[in-house]
Amino acid sequence: RKEVEQDPGPFNVPEGATVAFNCTYSNSASQSFFWYRQDCRKEPKLLMSVYSSGNEDGRFTAQLNRASQYISLLIRDSKLSDSATYLCVVGDNYGQNFVFGPGTRLSVLP
Amino acid sequence: DADVTQTPRNRITKTGKRIMLECSQTKGHDRMYWYRQDPGLGLRLIYYSFDVKDINKGEISDGYSVSRQAQAKFSLSLESAIPNQTALYFCATSAARSGGVYNEQFFGPGTRLTVL
Repeated sequence: RKEVEQDPGPFNVPEGATVAFNCTYSNSASQSFFWYRQDCRKEPKLLMSVYSSGNEDGRFTAQLNRASQYISLLIRDSKLSDSATYLCVVGDNYGQNFVFGPGTRLSVLP
Repeated sequence: DADVTQTPRNRITKTGKRIMLECSQTKGHDRMYWYRQDPGLGLRLIYYSFDVKDINKGEISDGYSVSRQAQAKFSLSLESAIPNQTALYFCATSAARSGGVYNEQFFGPGTRLTVL
């Protein structure tokens, strides 16, 4: 089993749609959780950190379920500019190792 | 100006050649990382360094070596390049843990390496 797994995608959605991405991780000692966004042939950039209580940033909401070792990202009112690959990232308990999921590609269509 | 820079941005080389990829950062971070990205596999950690005197192997260090010349510089070497090292290579930095929160990583623009 891979350490971090994500929905395989791709997701093709119309503008204005709500879309949810799921991520599971295998290391129960993981302490830090992030969602990164990566545009084609570009570097990953932090979208948001994921906190135990869940957090929201505008149209984006992230949730963490430690018991199920599951992270989610919800995007509301999708924009064309949201088209990208979304990477789930999990950090170990020593802050030494960030493990990246394979990514889920999103295409928002006009 | 970019906070994390990588040189070269693109490189084509032949099997058996020695290649060095360089990374510099102006963020003042102690931690630096090298990753490679292959289609469908996500980013995989090659080496990481928590300060100038600290070097650690990552998931896929075989065939690679690194040097942390200064806090701001971290270079990756392929001593004898082979075709399956063709990939997109990213350098990243992060600040040390603070207040129990692990800080995000900041990535350079990447180096596209092709080994023929």
